[in-house]
Amino acid sequence: ETGVTQTPRHLVMGMTNKKSLKCEQHLGHNAMYWYKQSAKKPLELMFVYSLEERVENNSVPSRFSPECPNSSHLFLHLHTLQPEDSALYLCASSQEGTGSYEQYFGPGTRLTVT
Amino acid sequence: LAKTTQPISMDSYEGQEVNITCSHNNIATNDYITWYQQFPSQGPRFIIQGYKTKVTNEVASLFIPADRKSSTLSLPRVSLSDTAVYYCLVGDGDTGRRALTFGSGTRLQVQP
Repeated sequence: ETGVTQTPRHLVMGMTNKKSLKCEQHLGHNAMYWYKQSAKKPLELMFVYSLEERVENNSVPSRFSPECPNSSHLFLHLHTLQPEDSALYLCASSQEGTGSYEQYFGPGTRLTVT
Repeated sequence: LAKTTQPISMDSYEGQEVNITCSHNNIATNDYITWYQQFPSQGPRFIIQGYKTKVTNEVASLFIPADRKSSTLSLPRVSLSDTAVYYCLVGDGDTGRRALTFGSGTRLQVQP
């Protein structure tokens, strides 16, 4: 248990569906992240939020839309996805300004696009 | 960000010490070196972080030579549960942002 929860843990959706992934951190951190991990590929950083402001967007397609309503919650809204978007989506949080690179990851959402 | 190179895989036996070396030839002055562990279908877990010389915690040790162009993660007396992928990352100490760039990692297989 890392203090970062993600729901749902598994999701199957069609290409025309709209769904959202939710992440919640109970650690009092001020930064949150979305990563994508495809089969046999390194983790890819998608979005970074610092103090609820999006500070990084790594050329992610617009069919992925993040939302950070407060420092504890992070969402990833999905619409018209492609089969190649099937992956493990990981949320993480950290405390910026401490000099530490320690990020706390959630268990991930296994997404399958059919 | 500095690129890292580490072995794709390693094998070991229970009770042995495992050393995984990572090369980061273009590490910058302000960069820190961080190691993470990842089990299948789970998020990575922070192991250790260092800047120079040696850092030790309850899980591992990190050795960094004076030129900082490489680092070695040392896992003492591994067990089957240490079978995982280990990632070496080099971060930018200047930006204040801690976004991580993961490489392919080293897949450690511990045998009985």
